Amino acid sequence: AQSVSQHNHHVILSEAASLELGCNYSYGGTVNLFWYVQYPGQHLQLLLKYFSGDPLVKGIKGFEAEFIKSKFSFNLRKPSVQWSDTAEYFCAVNSYNTDKLIFGTGTRLQVFP
Amino acid sequence: EAGVAQSPRYKIIEKRQSVAFWCNPISGHATLYWYQQILGQGPKLLIQFQNNGVVDDSQLPKDRFSAERLKGVDSTLKIQPAKLEDSAVYLCASSLVVAGEGGSPLHFGNGTRLTVT
Repeated sequence: AQSVSQHNHHVILSEAASLELGCNYSYGGTVNLFWYVQYPGQHLQLLLKYFSGDPLVKGIKGFEAEFIKSKFSFNLRKPSVQWSDTAEYFCAVNSYNTDKLIFGTGTRLQVFP
Repeated sequence: EAGVAQSPRYKIIEKRQSVAFWCNPISGHATLYWYQQILGQGPKLLIQFQNNGVVDDSQLPKDRFSAERLKGVDSTLKIQPAKLEDSAVYLCASSLVVAGEGGSPLHFGNGTRLTVT
């Protein structure tokens, strides 16, 4: 069965620090990969997605993620975080031919000014 | 573009009572999902509709949960009777994707926070 692991449950950073959130998935076939973000009091929003092609994908607000197939990983990065990046971040995966989206447990990011 | 609408935002009920949640997806989105998000966990799919037909309800506790999507637009999710462990945020999402194509992102509503006492 598909599963998604997010190893960092709570990350605390100062503004301008670099960010990397880990995401690993287990599935043997072709996958689609997503990062969703939930800002305080708001709904889940798509941050970025990978379907195929260039394994380095860029999303909104300066975020990017790299798909490393050999490591089954899809880590999220941002070179310099801002206070407004404080949110919960969810990695998600579905297989190429199904819509069932499997989410990780989420990483809560707190950025202090 | 209007987003996914859900109501109510909050609901507090006693165990063994019943409750219903409503969702109106983005206009034109054929696929609708209900997710359950327990505190400290990621969202878990309960049921997926394609138009008004069920595509996947393998994780829906059918002895107490039911859902319908009449006319392929709005949907309701019902719990009867509720248990303490049903306390969670219930998220509705919709997408343009045709079932089996996998790649369209989901658009989520704000969710309904259910507390069962």
